[in-house]
Amino acid sequence: GENVEQHPSTLSVQEGDSAVIKCTYSDSASNYFPWYKQELGKRPQLIIDIRSNVGEKKDQRIAVTLNKTAKHFSLHITETQPEDSAVYFCAASRGGNEKLTFGTGTRLTIIP
Amino acid sequence: GAVVSQHPSWVICKSGTSVKIECRSLDFQATTMFWYRQFPKQSLMLMATSNEGSKATYEQGVEKDKFLINHASLTLSTLTVTSAHPEDSSFYICSATGLAGGTEQFFGPGTRLTVL
Repeated sequence: GENVEQHPSTLSVQEGDSAVIKCTYSDSASNYFPWYKQELGKRPQLIIDIRSNVGEKKDQRIAVTLNKTAKHFSLHITETQPEDSAVYFCAASRGGNEKLTFGTGTRLTIIP
Repeated sequence: GAVVSQHPSWVICKSGTSVKIECRSLDFQATTMFWYRQFPKQSLMLMATSNEGSKATYEQGVEKDKFLINHASLTLSTLTVTSAHPEDSSFYICSATGLAGGTEQFFGPGTRLTVL
């Protein structure tokens, strides 16, 4: 089955700097890669996703890049703000109604 | 749109009792629902996938006789934790897909289960 690895497990950045979180996956049939932000005790919140037919997607301060050949994808957050502090999860699936496999999570702390 | 609710939001029970958690899609028909378990400071681990009207597919290592899943309608799935024990204490989250055939999973707010 699919295996998703995520790094780093913790990340601290100064407010205003950029943060990058990286994930690799094993299943070459995976074609849907969402990123979630989860605050303590809350549900995961989709912040951006990408499908395998594109290499990059951007939404304001958040961007995701995908390298299908290398089977890795990354989340980039620019101009970080204190409210960006949370746990971030990457995930992968084969699309449609297929199950998601989650990465292990990254605890991002923005230092004011 | 695409709202998923869960009930209860938290529950405390005694060891040996059974607990039922409901997951509802409020404004769309969910062809597939997923149940996850999340222990403190860990990732979401998929327990099972359920499709309306058919038996759930459980992930390896998840006891189907202990975690009973029913997906009786396109808007409701239930997870029953039978004979709960302290090690079953966790955050249980459901998600649903099916909105216009899309891929995105819509997550419920989660249920915090504490077994004494």
